[in-house]
Amino acid sequence: DAGVIQSPRHEVTEMGQEVTLRCKPISGHNSLFWYRQTMMRGLELLIYFNNNVPIDDSGMPEDRFSAKMPNASFSTLKIQPSEPRDSAVYFCASSPLGIAGAYEQYFGPGTRLTVT
Amino acid sequence: AQTVTQSQPEMSVQEAETVTLSCTYDTSESNYYLFWYKQPPSRQMILVIRQEAYKQQNATENRFSVNFQKAAKSFSLKISDSQLGDTAMYFCAFMRTGTASKLTFGTGTRLQVTL
Repeated sequence: DAGVIQSPRHEVTEMGQEVTLRCKPISGHNSLFWYRQTMMRGLELLIYFNNNVPIDDSGMPEDRFSAKMPNASFSTLKIQPSEPRDSAVYFCASSPLGIAGAYEQYFGPGTRLTVT
Repeated sequence: AQTVTQSQPEMSVQEAETVTLSCTYDTSESNYYLFWYKQPPSRQMILVIRQEAYKQQNATENRFSVNFQKAAKSFSLKISDSQLGDTAMYFCAFMRTGTASKLTFGTGTRLQVTL
């Protein structure tokens, strides 16, 4: 099993540019989560999907952030325009939530985003 | 809203010794899950152990075990026979039961295993 795949692993961009982070969940998982990790705020949930449908996006900082899950095997998190305060590690996690009683979340390796 | 508190920012333990990391949480829910995740310098988040709140028996995974005290809302992690590879940040996390529930994390404890 390949685990959760995220790309790119590192992204450096200039303020004002559009950034797209990508995630491929573990096959068969029905839930997908985007988290952000910073020194100041720790790990916080941005948005999560169940069966490709956004369930809770209350953690999305502002309209500059958007997330999509067009199918069960792919999700994107887009920041447009990016700002220096968006610099963080962004994690994608997936879960077979509710399938055979499972509930664990498995994390990808993260994308380290630096906005200059 | 749920909160998770880890009161030990840093801890150190010698190789082969035992260490306990503390975690408390606050919730009005009666059914929930608790987790410990490990984040080594590679930054990968690795699930260490999980506990269902309805289970009285404490979870164990090899050298890792928990002391779950539901009434006290306490969920500590014990690492036995510590190894150098256990050096990492450890995060305690809470999740409500139900469809697509999010993880709420504590601030983490940095554990250093020394020779």
